[in-house]
Formats: sequence, structure tokens, C-alpha cells
Amino acid sequence: EPEVTQTPSHQVTQMGQEVILRCVPISNHLYFYWYRQILGQKVEFLVSFYNNEISEKSEIFDDQFSVERPDGSNFTLKIRSTKLEDSAMYFCASLGTDLNEKLFFGSGTQLSVL
Amino acid sequence: DAKTTQPPSMDCAEGRAANLPCNHSTISGNEYVYWYRQIHSQGPQYIIHGLKNNETNEMASLIITEDRKSSTLILPHATLRDTAVYYCIVSGANAGGTSYGKLTFGQGTILTVHP
Repeated sequence: EPEVTQTPSHQVTQMGQEVILRCVPISNHLYFYWYRQILGQKVEFLVSFYNNEISEKSEIFDDQFSVERPDGSNFTLKIRSTKLEDSAMYFCASLGTDLNEKLFFGSGTQLSVL
Repeated sequence: DAKTTQPPSMDCAEGRAANLPCNHSTISGNEYVYWYRQIHSQGPQYIIHGLKNNETNEMASLIITEDRKSSTLILPHATLRDTAVYYCIVSGANAGGTSYGKLTFGQGTILTVHP
């Protein structure tokens, strides 16, 4: 089965630093997403991205966050100035052209902000 | 998206069927019922989804009641590797079509399969 690939699997950073989380969605997919899960809590939607622009974002996705699809294959989430509360598992997901089909999730990047 | 209600935890013996219920009494006509699971802290994994007919695939069966207000996920022969958190999610396109793929996860049901 096709896979969504995320790198790195673990990222440790100092508070205030910028981090970029990388994802390679499934190659023919058109819709891309970031979710996050703080330890012990629910999986939360952050942002959806289609046709090179954000389609929807949650209230969590403030000005410190940005997404980009720089080269047609990678999909990145940037956190400009990390805070302690940004520590979480971040999941990338992608969806094909059948919009009522399944989301494919990556295995996640564990971000630890010290 | 409609809200779902699931029991917080369930147990199942290995080799037996696991039947996980979900209530979604406020589901609207164009909303699908999706089931995902999350093993340990891995990414959520799709299991099955349906609109109003019962569905079956290689992983599970989904039984949706005629009024669509509840559903049951059936794992026919549970194994130890099926121990996970199972999420029932109701989702579908809104009028603007921008909510595709935006899943609202609840706490899910922690299924423990024991030997």
C-alpha cells in the first residue's frame, strides 16, 4: 500500500527556534493535511492544503505556523518560533481525488521543545 | 461534523469477534461514518467507511443502522495486534467542499485484545 513519509521521526529543539517538519505525501494525491497530538490527548486538525493554498485551518494554526509545498513532492510545516506547548506528535496526511475516500497518515514526527 | 459517542474501553479475547459500537444520532444525510485506529503513538490508520449500506473489507465489517444513528465496527477474529484506540468519525463535505479530510477525532475506544 502507498505510504506517506515523514522526516525526521524525532526532532528536539530549543524554545524560540524555528523547525521545519517534512512530509512526502502519496504521489498522485491532491489534498494535504497536518494534524498534531499532544501526549495523552486527542488527534487535532491543524490545516488543510489544496492547489497551493490553505483551504482551512484551526485556531491552533496561528501566525507561528506555515505550510508549503515547495517542489511538488514535499509538504512542509514550519513553526517559526517554537514554544514549550508545541511539543507534540505531528502527523501529515494526504487524500486522493475521491474526496470521500480515506486519509493516509504518516507515522509522525515527535517534536520536543526544551 | 456530527458528534460521536463511543465507550472508553472494551476487552476482547484473541480469536473472537470484537464489536465496537458508536452512536452518531445527529448525522446528516451527506455524512459518512469512518473508522480509524491508532496503535500506540503511530499515525491513525484507516479501517473502513460507509454512508448507509453495510460494508466489508479485508480488515473489518461496518454495520450501519437503518436510521444511520449508530454503527458497529466488527473485527471478525481479533488478534493481539488489534489492540489499539479505535475512532468512529462522522465526516463529509460541507456546502463549500472545504472540509474534506478534516477529521474530528474524539477519545475513541481503547480495545484490548487478550490471549
